[in-house]
Amino acid sequence: GAVVSQHPSWVICKSGTSVKIECRSLDFQATTMFWYRQFPKQSLMLMATSNEGSKATYEQGVEKDKFLINHASLTLSTLTVTSAHPEDSSFYICSATGTANANTEAFFGQGTRLTVV
Amino acid sequence: GESVGLHLPTLSVQEGDNSIINCAYSNSASDYFIWYKQESGKGPQFIIDIRSNMDKRQGQRVTVLLNKTVKHLSLQIAATQPGDSAVYFCAENTGGFKTIFGAGTRLFVKA
Repeated sequence: GAVVSQHPSWVICKSGTSVKIECRSLDFQATTMFWYRQFPKQSLMLMATSNEGSKATYEQGVEKDKFLINHASLTLSTLTVTSAHPEDSSFYICSATGTANANTEAFFGQGTRLTVV
Repeated sequence: GESVGLHLPTLSVQEGDNSIINCAYSNSASDYFIWYKQESGKGPQFIIDIRSNMDKRQGQRVTVLLNKTVKHLSLQIAATQPGDSAVYFCAENTGGFKTIFGAGTRLFVKA
């Protein structure tokens, strides 16, 4: 299957700083990328959907100014957690689809563990 | 609102037995469903999918059943192995592209 890679795998940052997480599709062009957040023992919660070259669409309750998403190319999307606080500590996961058609399998990255201290 | 949920949060089975993980969904307009496996500290791994024009699909050791009448999905794992221990999520595609996840079931396989 297609490969989606996230970097870094884990990061520890100080409260008040910003952290950038990268999501790359390695062997296909990702027309749409998705960002999820997962707290311990919970499910994946969709944060936003991004299409290459356009602004991301955020889910209700997700602050777009806090979670900045950039999808500047067909192989890279970034999520920046701005002014991070301990409550932002979570597992962040991206996924990507390589087709403009609906109802197709999305490929997931391995996740990024963010710890804010 | 829309939701995809699970009846059982944990399931413990004996190695070699069959496992059945259930899922209920609420959006009757959803037409594509996926089962994912997630191991600790990793991203979800695709297992099998099914479209709404089908009621059963089989893969290697796995079968997904879809009952649209009662909006229910199930994942059957044959001859469960220790390597199958993980959290399993059902998910639905809603709005065409977005994949919404259910609550998850943790599967324990006893040797």
